[in-house]
Amino acid sequence: GIQVEQSPPDLILQEGANSTLRCNFSDSVNNLQWFHQNPWGQLINLFYIPSGTKQNGRLSATTVATERYSLLYISSSQTTDSGVYFCAAPWGGATNKLIFGTGTLLAVQP
Amino acid sequence: DVKVTQSSRYLVKRTGEKVFLECVQDMDHENMFWYRQDPGLGLRLIYFSYDVKMKEKGDIPEGYSVSREKKERFSLILESASTNQTSMYLCASSLSIGSRNEQFFGPGTRLTVL
Repeated sequence: GIQVEQSPPDLILQEGANSTLRCNFSDSVNNLQWFHQNPWGQLINLFYIPSGTKQNGRLSATTVATERYSLLYISSSQTTDSGVYFCAAPWGGATNKLIFGTGTLLAVQP
Repeated sequence: DVKVTQSSRYLVKRTGEKVFLECVQDMDHENMFWYRQDPGLGLRLIYFSYDVKMKEKGDIPEGYSVSREKKERFSLILESASTNQTSMYLCASSLSIGSRNEQFFGPGTRLTVL
């Protein structure tokens, strides 16, 4: 099945800094999702992005499906951006389960 | 907006108890999923359902069962809770496979089994 890898594993930023998180996947996918898991454990949908670029406020994402990677950009980071960022791709089998990367732990310091 | 709710945010149970975790979604999604999340192991699929009364095993179904009597509700049942089922449980829902299959998650239930 598909494998999903994320980098970096953890990241510490000063408030106001920009960052780029990367997600590599081992096979072609028909969708890719980015999530933010907040300190209370909830997975918040950030982007559903099979290909191309999308922007939502200070966040944007780009997926290059032919090269099997996706990038999440966070600009002007805030302390509320702290948490774990996951990318996930569907397994492609009958279950349609998501295969999650190992996540990037982001800490934004004031 | 899609809303997925779970019956409890935190739950403490004793070994051997029967435990019910409830999940409700309000967007008429066909698919519903139960995952558990553990440090170092990531999210793993326990069971999923693609229609009312239909269920399929995921990667780690042992010790669990599920029920889907209505389209909007998917219950996870721990028949006899054990300490190794202490975990974060996350419910998700999505539209049919083959269409836009973006998954939406509930807030999670942190279950502790003593």
